[in-house]
Amino acid sequence: ETGVTQTPRHLVMGMTNKKSLKCEQHLGHNAMYWYKQSAKKPLELMFVYNFKEQTENNSVPSRFSPECPNSSHLFLHLHTLQPEDSALYLCASSQVHSLQETQYFGPGTRLLVL
Amino acid sequence: QKEVEQNSGPLSVPEGAIASLNCTYSDRGSQSFFWYRQYSGKSPELIMSIYSNGDKEDGRFTAQLNKASQYVSLLIRDSQPSDSATYLCAAGLSGGYNKLIFGAGTRLAVHP
Repeated sequence: ETGVTQTPRHLVMGMTNKKSLKCEQHLGHNAMYWYKQSAKKPLELMFVYNFKEQTENNSVPSRFSPECPNSSHLFLHLHTLQPEDSALYLCASSQVHSLQETQYFGPGTRLLVL
Repeated sequence: QKEVEQNSGPLSVPEGAIASLNCTYSDRGSQSFFWYRQYSGKSPELIMSIYSNGDKEDGRFTAQLNKASQYVSLLIRDSQPSDSATYLCAAGLSGGYNKLIFGAGTRLAVHP
């Protein structure tokens, strides 16, 4: 596996379900991110982890719960979601190094909340 | 509220022409800028990064940065139908050096 991988690629869940999204990066990076992309809206940064520590929670509702057990893995735990949470959820990683760092994205998980 | 603005398009150009995509940003302290390409249903893929004023060329792509005007552009020479996608502009936030703000993207359509 190379780059950034995400599973599952597609997910349909009811509002009472609990599910988790998984992201793994194979680039040796030390920062990982969760983004939400809704139709016709800019990518929204949700969470940032630097060296496994959460450094950013961009006012995300508590029904989204991130977990970063190590610098290569990132999870997003989902519970009691709303239909408006349906979106493409993207994971990204980067190497924190001065100002010249690039974020690389995984393929995303397309989430539909019924 | 820090923002990145892009014209949503679609920008329609004939095959072989130059496509010009523009972006403005509000954070005057931003130091890093990125262009990503996103095909429908896919994730963003990096095309170019630029950090200094002026032009940066990579193959058919040229990124231009003007920090005084808070303006970033991407030129695509010899446009191909395979270039048809949404192009996302992103700026690194000042004070949070690994946080990016994205524009909503410009949809480019290259017709044969």
